[in-house]
Amino acid sequence: DGGITQSPKYLFRKEGQNVTLSCEQNLNHDAMYWYRQDPGQGLRLIYYSQIVNDFQKGDIAEGYSVSREKKESFPLTVTSAQKNPTAFYLCASSIDLLNSYEQYFGPGTRLTVT
Amino acid sequence: AQSVAQPEDQVNVAEGNPLTVKCTYSVSGNPYLFWYVQYPNRGLQFLLKYITGDNLVKGSYGFEAEFNKSQTSFHLKKPSALVSDSALYFCAVRDITGFQKLVFGTGTRLLVSP
Repeated sequence: DGGITQSPKYLFRKEGQNVTLSCEQNLNHDAMYWYRQDPGQGLRLIYYSQIVNDFQKGDIAEGYSVSREKKESFPLTVTSAQKNPTAFYLCASSIDLLNSYEQYFGPGTRLTVT
Repeated sequence: AQSVAQPEDQVNVAEGNPLTVKCTYSVSGNPYLFWYVQYPNRGLQFLLKYITGDNLVKGSYGFEAEFNKSQTSFHLKKPSALVSDSALYFCAVRDITGFQKLVFGTGTRLLVSP
């Protein structure tokens, strides 16, 4: 999966709890992304970051937060404000934002909230 | 806005037969088009891309795609399907607004029977 690791593979949480998904890359890429995948809806962009200490909202950022304190790491927090958090979450990276169309994906984390 | 459509939720083909997974696009300007494959509970893997040049693009694992400007299509093809090709296939287009993110289709599940 191109030098991107996501952990854990499966995550279970109770409703009302915040949860943080890990994403690490060793590709020396500047840009990183978080997507949410739901059946029949393809991938939707949650947040993206083009450089350390900078990140921008994607198409469905409500109820999510991110940080980018290190180049290699881009953790995603799913907050209790996210109305429907159960989904498959994918992290990706690219050399930079100009090459955002060539992305490398991690193996994903399947989050189940009950 | 840039978009892609994958009209088939699922494609069934017998091993050894040719396969086609359809994708049509709607873009302003010249399209950058991509195909990705996703195996169960895994991240997406890049298969091929069309940016410019020959209309027939060759990619990984024996896949190819034909860019057809008049029909605004970018169908994925393989001359002889393998059972191991069974997976979820996503067509994507580069968005020209903002940071040129990838816009994904909803995906087509390919099932290759022995």
